[in-house]
Amino acid sequence: QVQLQESGPGLVKPSQTLSLTCTVSGGSISSGDYYWSWIRQPPGKGLEWIGYIYYSGSTYYNPSLKSRVTISVDTSKNQFSLKLSSVTAADTAVYYCAREDIVANIPVAFDIWGQGTMVTVSS
Amino acid sequence: EIVLTQSPGTLSLSPGERATLSCRASQSVSSSYLAWYQQKPGQAPRLLIYGASSRATGIPDRFSGSGSGTDFTLTISRLEPEDFAVYYCQQYGSSTRTFGQGTKVEIK
Repeated sequence: QVQLQESGPGLVKPSQTLSLTCTVSGGSISSGDYYWSWIRQPPGKGLEWIGYIYYSGSTYYNPSLKSRVTISVDTSKNQFSLKLSSVTAADTAVYYCAREDIVANIPVAFDIWGQGTMVTVSS
Repeated sequence: EIVLTQSPGTLSLSPGERATLSCRASQSVSSSYLAWYQQKPGQAPRLLIYGASSRATGIPDRFSGSGSGTDFTLTISRLEPEDFAVYYCQQYGSSTRTFGQGTKVEIK
């Protein structure tokens, strides 16, 4: 079955760039049936969608984070990545990658999630 | 941006009881675009319901979703010990996805 696994530094300094990678196993990221998203959850708080990428490279970002977010895909490695620039303590969170099912070009729901990785922004 | 407001914030119930969770949207949401997730401590969210009322693969039939427009409901017919968790609703609209703030179902 398809599994997602996040990886990257657990500690990032303020003003620097947070970089995470999600590796997809058990299936191809190049399937046209899914969007590949990043979602985060600050400690003790709710979920915030960051953005998605399609295997072709097209992206859409949460307007509240758009100026600082870049999501990219490497189909040869079956991975997609997140970069969040100019981080502050408010970006401290568990970061999840997730697969979003698409039916007839309509997103349905996030049906598979990675286990999440905690990123702390601190000097 | 569509804002989802979930109520109550916390629901205190006993195993075997019925749980009714509400999700209200700030503007109308297509039923096709409303989902519910369950999250247990230290775990990633798990998809329960999509399209407002369709159960995801492997989800027991004690979980059901309903609603339309701006008011949606997740019902757990008889709470099992493993159902005590936080539940989130989520919508897709205008290319953006948003989540509710969550309802915690705790053991009374």
